[in-house]
Amino acid sequence: AQKVTQAQTEISVVEKEDVTLDCVYETRDTTYYLFWYKQPPSGELVFLIRRNSFDEQNEISGRYSWNFQKSTSSFNFTITASQVVDSAVYFCALSVDTNAGKSTFGDGTTLTVKP
Amino acid sequence: SQTIHQWPATLVQPVGSPLSLECTVEGTSNPNLYWYRQAAGRGLQLLFYSVGIGQISSEVPQNLSASRPQDRQFILSSKKLLLSDSGFYLCAWSVRVSYGYTFGSGTRLTVV
Repeated sequence: AQKVTQAQTEISVVEKEDVTLDCVYETRDTTYYLFWYKQPPSGELVFLIRRNSFDEQNEISGRYSWNFQKSTSSFNFTITASQVVDSAVYFCALSVDTNAGKSTFGDGTTLTVKP
Repeated sequence: SQTIHQWPATLVQPVGSPLSLECTVEGTSNPNLYWYRQAAGRGLQLLFYSVGIGQISSEVPQNLSASRPQDRQFILSSKKLLLSDSGFYLCAWSVRVSYGYTFGSGTRLTVV
């Protein structure tokens, strides 16, 4: 069975601070895929990034960066110079080929960026 | 391009009334389809998924059912709503495990 843990339920920062959202996963599959989604107040989940288990390269996209470490089963998400528009619930998710494409989601981290 | 439509956006229904939420996908064939529910302030709970027409798998026992009458149409139903059915319902599709999901805009259901 798969499991995703987002230990941080809520985080509050002041604008321009950097913030890291933690994600720890569990799976016995050797091939798996990790994702981050953003859920703004409007409710619709927006895909941010995917990573497969064979690609441990970190990725940077503008102010967003992701740190994938298989040794610690973590896929952390950092927002640099946070902005008010970054306020949202962020979900980490895990999928494996053997599970009909179903994703296992963490419980989400609510990020509030204050001006 | 691929898009997903979900409606209605909001719904207020009395206890005991029926429910029908619809989700349609455009621009892709034979997608995997999913219904999730999100209770207030909580995570996402997978309710149903479908890998093809007429193929429905239920993840948790509940007062709801799902159907897939056409390749790109996924319907969530209930014959009699309960207060506990209130929540935010999200439809999602995927064509490959590695691609992740594309979500619909969601339906906020309040059962009163």
